[in-house]
Amino acid sequence: EDQVTQSPEALRLQEGESSSLNCSYTVSGLRGLFWYRQDPGKGPEFLFTLYSAGEEKEKERLKATLTKKESFLHITAPKPEDSATYLCAGEGGSNYKLTFGKGTLLTVNP
Amino acid sequence: SAVISQKPSRDICQRGTSLTIQCQVDSQVTMMFWYRQQPGQSLTLIATANQGSEATYESGFVIDKFPISRPNLTFSTLTVSNMSPEDSSIYLCSVAGTGNYGYTFGSGTRLTIV
Repeated sequence: EDQVTQSPEALRLQEGESSSLNCSYTVSGLRGLFWYRQDPGKGPEFLFTLYSAGEEKEKERLKATLTKKESFLHITAPKPEDSATYLCAGEGGSNYKLTFGKGTLLTVNP
Repeated sequence: SAVISQKPSRDICQRGTSLTIQCQVDSQVTMMFWYRQQPGQSLTLIATANQGSEATYESGFVIDKFPISRPNLTFSTLTVSNMSPEDSSIYLCSVAGTGNYGYTFGSGTRLTIV
C-alpha cells in the first residue's frame, strides 16, 4: 500500500529562522512528488512537482529536493505569510492517484 | 492552470439527508477527482470521474454512498448520501494540471452533519 509520511506534524519558527520539512514516501511506480500549500478554509495550492532523485526546484523562499525515499521542503528566512499547512503527495499507479501525507502545520512568528 | 469553482463552500445538514456538491472547471478536462479531508487526516481520494463512463471508486468508498455524475468535460457532482456525523469533512474536487502546474484543487466544501 502506498504511504506518505510527513514530519514534523507542526513547526513553529521565528521570522528569519530557516528550517526543513520532511516527506518520506513509499509509492509504487512513483511518477511525481508534489508539494502543496494549504491555507485555512482553502483548497491546496500547487507549489512544486519533482520527478526524479536529485531534482531540485525553487520558488522564492522555498526549495524542494527529492531522493529515492524522501523529499525535503527547505524554507529560507521565512516570513509570517509563509504560515500554512504544507502537504506532500506522491503520484503512482495506473490511475494517477495522489497519496497525501497528513501535512506539516508551519507557524512563523514575527 | 485550470480554475475550479466548487459549491457550496459549506453546509450544515441533518443526518439521514443527502447533499450534492458541484464542481465547475473553466476548461475541458478528461479526468476529475474527488477527495475527502477529515480533521487531522490526509486528503483521501474518493473516486476518479471520466466523462461518459462510470466513476472509479477507491477502496472503502462505494457508489451508493458517494454517487458521482460527469455529464460533460467541464462539470461534475459528488453526492454524499444518507449522511451521518462521520461524514463531516471537507470535500474537494481536483483536475490534472497542464505543463508544470500539477493538480489543481477547488476551494472545498466544508460539510457538518448534525
